[in-house]
Amino acid sequence: DIVMTQSPDSLAVSLGERATINCKSSQSVLYSSNNKNYLAWYQQKPGQPPKLLIYWASTRESGVPDRFSGSGSGADFTLTISSLQAEDVAVYFCQQYYYTPTFGQGTKVEVK
Amino acid sequence: QVQLVQSGAQVKKPGSSVMVSCKASGDIFNTYAISWVRQAPGQGLEWMGGIIPTFGSANYAQKFRDRVTITADESTSTAYMELSSLRSEDTAMYYCAAEHITETTVGWFDPWGQGTLVTVSS
Repeated sequence: DIVMTQSPDSLAVSLGERATINCKSSQSVLYSSNNKNYLAWYQQKPGQPPKLLIYWASTRESGVPDRFSGSGSGADFTLTISSLQAEDVAVYFCQQYYYTPTFGQGTKVEVK
Repeated sequence: QVQLVQSGAQVKKPGSSVMVSCKASGDIFNTYAISWVRQAPGQGLEWMGGIIPTFGSANYAQKFRDRVTITADESTSTAYMELSSLRSEDTAMYYCAAEHITETTVGWFDPWGQGTLVTVSS
């Protein structure tokens, strides 16, 4: 299985400031034939199922605010919240779908 | 609007089995795979397996291969996950999710069901 490792495990950011979450895969999830990175990001709030934010590493799901962005390629990826809002307090997960799906352990984002 | 609605919470004895259902609305069954993902209390997400309803055959994570069965009934747009030989460590929230089918494989999960809490306790 591909192991997904997120960092940090938690972070506290002031409202309006930038939050950056990293995700590293144990092998590349870039598919050479179509040059796509098989990586998604989710947001999970307490008592709710995960919500898709981004797929193909950088494609924002419809309805997701543009303060959320994904970047990276190969085995190193980043989710950025450009200006943290109170409603962004949640746990964020990355997931690869290059092989059998696996998730990162999650990063908890709180307000400082 | 595509939506997945799961059956209610269950309490089971160790060694027994549990079946959770997931009813799909919209055109999910013709367009997506259906996967099952579990989340132990305070823990991360773990893919258990999935099925493409129009094909009928399921794939399972190695960890669960000998204990889980995933099926789909196209006539009712309902998917099922049965987990046998339950132990306390199986206490978790179980989610079904529509898994997008890409040109090369299955992909990301959206939407998700609301979750079904399964508690294993003697």
